[in-house]
Amino acid sequence: GAVVSQHPSRVICKSGTSVKIECRSLDFQATTMFWYRQFPKQSLMLMATSNEGSKATYEQGVEKDKFLINHASLTLSTLTVTSAHPEDSSFYICSASVSPTGGREKLFFGSGTQLSVL
Amino acid sequence: AQSVSQHNHHVILSEAASLELGCNYSYGGTVNLFWYVQYPGQHLQLLLKYFSGDPLVKGIKGFEAEFIKSKFSFNLRKPSVQWSDTAEYFCAVNAYGFQKLVFGTGTRLLVSP
Repeated sequence: GAVVSQHPSRVICKSGTSVKIECRSLDFQATTMFWYRQFPKQSLMLMATSNEGSKATYEQGVEKDKFLINHASLTLSTLTVTSAHPEDSSFYICSASVSPTGGREKLFFGSGTQLSVL
Repeated sequence: AQSVSQHNHHVILSEAASLELGCNYSYGGTVNLFWYVQYPGQHLQLLLKYFSGDPLVKGIKGFEAEFIKSKFSFNLRKPSVQWSDTAEYFCAVNAYGFQKLVFGTGTRLLVSP
C-alpha cells in the first residue's frame, strides 16, 4: 500500500519553543491530509483537514494560531506547534487521502509523533 | 455528532483463545466503518472496512467484523488469536459523504504465549 512518512517520531522540547512535524506521502499525491491528536487513554481526535494550496479547516476547539498547518505541495503537509506548553504533550498523527479513479477514498496513516513538552 | 465507543480498554488472552472486541457508534445516517490496528512501534494499518453489502466483513490475518445496524455495532472477532496479534485496535466511523473519521479510544490486546 501507499506509504506516509511522518517525522520526527519523537520530540522533546522546552516550554515556549516551537516544534514542526512533517508528513509526506512517498509514492502518491495527497490532495487532502488530516492531522490527529491523541491524549493518553483517549481517542484519536481530528484536529484539522488540510488541502493542498488552501487554508486548513480546523475542528472546533483547536487553536489555528497555535497549530499552524501548511500544505504547500501534494506530498507534504507540516504541523507546527507554536509556543508549546506541557499541556500540548500528546501523540500527533497524520493521514493522507487518496481517491483512485472510480474507487473509494482511502486513508493512509503516518507512524505518529510523540511530543513531550518540558 | 458522531461518536464511537470501545468498551474494552485492555484485553488479555492466551494464544488460541477467541477474541471479540466491541464497537458501538452513534450516528443515524449511513456510515462507513473501519477497524485499524497499531502493532508496537508501527503505523496504524487498516484491518478491515465496511461500506455496504454483506454485513460480515473479512479482513487480513483472520479477522472479521459484523455490522449490526439495529445495534449500531461493528464488533471485531478472531476465532483463535496468536501472540503476534498483540497490538492496539481502533474502531472508526465515517459518516457517508464526509471525510472526517471518528475514532474510538482503542483497545490494547495482549496475547500471552
